[in-house]
Amino acid sequence: GAVVSQHPSWVICKSGTSVKIECRSLDFQATTMFWYRQFPKQSLMLMATSNEGSKATYEQGVEKDKFLINHASLTLSTLTVTSAHPEDSSFYICSAGGLNNSPLHFGNGTRLTVT
Amino acid sequence: RKEVEQDPGPFNVPEGATVAFNCTYSNSASQSFFWYRQDCRKEPKLLMSVYSSGNEDGRFTAQLNRASQYISLLIRDSKLSDSATYLCVVNTIRTTDSWGKLQFGAGTQVVVTP
Repeated sequence: GAVVSQHPSWVICKSGTSVKIECRSLDFQATTMFWYRQFPKQSLMLMATSNEGSKATYEQGVEKDKFLINHASLTLSTLTVTSAHPEDSSFYICSAGGLNNSPLHFGNGTRLTVT
Repeated sequence: RKEVEQDPGPFNVPEGATVAFNCTYSNSASQSFFWYRQDCRKEPKLLMSVYSSGNEDGRFTAQLNRASQYISLLIRDSKLSDSATYLCVVNTIRTTDSWGKLQFGAGTQVVVTP
């Protein structure tokens, strides 16, 4: 069964609105979670590393004021796409990994379409 | 040069045949390696970790070549359900409490045909 749950699976929103995506680790506590974006036929691109109880670490080129990340507990991280534009339409995926170099587990992804 | 590179394919494979493909990485400090499978419009799912000595899981065999800095995945007796994109994932730092820098390949598409 899934160990990382992501919600919603898909969302359609109007340009200018904000969308919140939740990522939950179900079987373990995740001090660190990762947020990715994937455009069609391209690889996963890491957007940011979400750290429980502290600020997220953003990758170069990712606007922290546009993609707000909150990791308030050991099992929940949220990504809010603020003032969404059509170019933000993409597949957003979160992941979490256990300690001791165990593999990552991915959420089921959120397909965002901004109209 | 990308840190992790894969042949995008597609590799068109007759059902029952064997297919193999590689993933090269540029950082010699890389320590952990994984193969993930991603179906169209779905999230990646772990297929297998790659160990230094090579490892096998059913019809799937993974190898690591540190000297040439690549990992490989071989699929024997291909099934139609093996059609997917296979992503390699490389981690450069390994500690007990840190994931370090994960790098993803763009994926190799495999299409198994009847």
